[in-house]
Amino acid sequence: EPEVTQTPSHQVTQMGQEVILRCVPISNHLYFYWYRQILGQKVEFLVSFYNNEISEKSEIFDDQFSVERPDGSNFTLKIRSTKLEDSAMYFCASSDVQGRTEAFFGQGTRLTVV
Amino acid sequence: GEDVEQSLFLSVREGDSSVINCTYTDSSSTYLYWYKQEPGAGLQLLTYIFSNMDMKQDQRLTVLLNKKDKHLSLRIADTQTGDSAIYFCAETGDTGRRALTFGSGTRLQVQP
Repeated sequence: EPEVTQTPSHQVTQMGQEVILRCVPISNHLYFYWYRQILGQKVEFLVSFYNNEISEKSEIFDDQFSVERPDGSNFTLKIRSTKLEDSAMYFCASSDVQGRTEAFFGQGTRLTVV
Repeated sequence: GEDVEQSLFLSVREGDSSVINCTYTDSSSTYLYWYKQEPGAGLQLLTYIFSNMDMKQDQRLTVLLNKKDKHLSLRIADTQTGDSAIYFCAETGDTGRRALTFGSGTRLQVQP
């Protein structure tokens, strides 16, 4: 069964450092998303990406965040200068052309900023 | 903005039915979803319902939607210990918004 894969599963970084979280969406999907879940809180939408550009973003997705699809398979989330409050589980998701009925999520990357 | 609320915890005995409830505020919600998260795992889509439906059944899962009250429920029949997980309700609207708005999740504990 096709799945969304994320790497690494856990990343520890020092405050102020840049991190790149990587995702391989399902191969025939065209919509890609990043969500995050701070420990004990709700899963929150960050950004969606379609046709090589951002289609929606939340207030959380400020200038320190960026997304990229550097090749035909990867989708990345970059955090330029990490803060302690960026510590969270980051989930990548993808959906097909219709997009609405099924968004498939990866296993998540746990980011710990120290 | 949109908001989705769930109770935090539910405990049932194995073999009983579980009912997990969710309320939402966005009257333009078009699709409503139930996701399952097992410890250390990602979010697994269980089922979804379109807003023009009242009910959807999929094996042991029954979703009921009361659009007037903006209330969604997930019933799991013959609950098993393997059903122990956190269940998230989520919604998305019909105004071109694809982002999912999630509830805080209900932790289901199944006692043997």
